[in-house]
Amino acid sequence: DVKVTQSSRYLVKRTGEKVFLECVQDMDHENMFWYRQDPGLGLRLIYFSYDVKMKEKGDIPEGYSVSREKKERFSLILESASTNQTSMYLCASGGTGPLREQYFGPGTRLTVT
Amino acid sequence: AQKVTQAQTEISVVEKEDVTLDCVYETRDTTYYLFWYKQPPSGELVFLIRRNSFDEQNEISGRYSWNFQKSTSSFNFTITASQVVDSAVYFCALSESTGGFKTIFGAGTRLFVKA
Repeated sequence: DVKVTQSSRYLVKRTGEKVFLECVQDMDHENMFWYRQDPGLGLRLIYFSYDVKMKEKGDIPEGYSVSREKKERFSLILESASTNQTSMYLCASGGTGPLREQYFGPGTRLTVT
Repeated sequence: AQKVTQAQTEISVVEKEDVTLDCVYETRDTTYYLFWYKQPPSGELVFLIRRNSFDEQNEISGRYSWNFQKSTSSFNFTITASQVVDSAVYFCALSESTGGFKTIFGAGTRLFVKA
């Protein structure tokens, strides 16, 4: 079974703090993704990575950065957390070619106060 | 531009009823992939099925079936004899071959199955 794990299920941070969300997959997938999910807005892509050290902006990259130093690990960084970044963050990994379905982690519910 | 529309925001059925979740997509690519995902109340999205644009065969898996029709750009999902455990949010999604593995998700349909 594909396993995607995220470092925390729940996180509470203060405005202005630097926040790291970690994601690890065990399927040797090339592609990894970070989404945020908000009520009424569905899943929105923040960043994705198709290889180690490679990254591409998604639809809402502002206020976020990412790091992929190893194939299995993809980190999302909030440089200076703000209250409008309170959300559910979902990490996913996926293969290439036709086998591009994504496997998701359990999510991290981040609250910024 | 690619787009996925799930017009049904919420559906409520009684257990054992059949229910169909609609999905309409837009794409200019001739090669693309369609997916359905389930997000139960626990929150973790689970992949259900992938269909590529060259394969219009319908698929059945237990109580689940999928109807892919290119002529109407639809990829509908039917649950037969629904059960309470089917209560979840269901997402339809599209990935174009030229899109670099990006996937566009529909807004989701929340299904309530009442006992």
